[in-house]
Amino acid sequence: QVQLVESGGGVVQPGRSLRLSCAASGFIFNNYGIHWVRQAPGKGLEWVAVISSDGKIKYYGDFVKGRFTISRDNSKASLYLQMDSLTTEDTAIYYCTKKAGTNTRRWSDSWGQGTLVTVSA
Amino acid sequence: AIQLTQSPSSLSASGGDRVTITCRASQGIGRALAWYQQKPGKAPNVLIYDASSLQSGVPSRFSGSGSGTDFTLTINSLQPEDFATYYCQQFNSYPLTFGGGTKVEIK
Repeated sequence: QVQLVESGGGVVQPGRSLRLSCAASGFIFNNYGIHWVRQAPGKGLEWVAVISSDGKIKYYGDFVKGRFTISRDNSKASLYLQMDSLTTEDTAIYYCTKKAGTNTRRWSDSWGQGTLVTVSA
Repeated sequence: AIQLTQSPSSLSASGGDRVTITCRASQGIGRALAWYQQKPGKAPNVLIYDASSLQSGVPSRFSGSGSGTDFTLTINSLQPEDFATYYCQQFNSYPLTFGGGTKVEIK
């Protein structure tokens, strides 16, 4: 079955950087786009970014403003999110999610368990 | 970005009730809408995609309808395991966006 396992979360000071990882298994990783979605404590879901199956196409949420970079390594079935210039508003659980299919099938049909990022002085 | 407005933000219902949640988009999105269920401490799970298609394994008491800007999630005969928070998401265009969520609580 599909498994997505996030790692790399933790406590980081404002202005610093953090890199999240997501290890995928149970499906042909290089056939699917992958999203990052986040959820601040007690709040709703917020879409962060998506990367295409070949890594060439990327989109970001409006709030990212050039601070985050999504990437993938298909040889390792892994997804990454490099987060720079972090602020307290970036405190959230970060989920990686599998895109349901190609082209317009953009919803998330599988989710990881999430990794918590806390930005605090 | 396309904004999604969900209503109500919360509701109380009893087992066996029929529950309806609405999601309104700030511009037309065709049928590019999904509904997710999230239980406390867990990741969300997709229930409905393409506005009305039931995800494999999801009970048939869940149904979705709508197109354009107005969408509805209906839960027929609410079960104990259905008490959760529900989110709509548009995938018509990037950036993808979610509604604010609807918490379904036990009356």
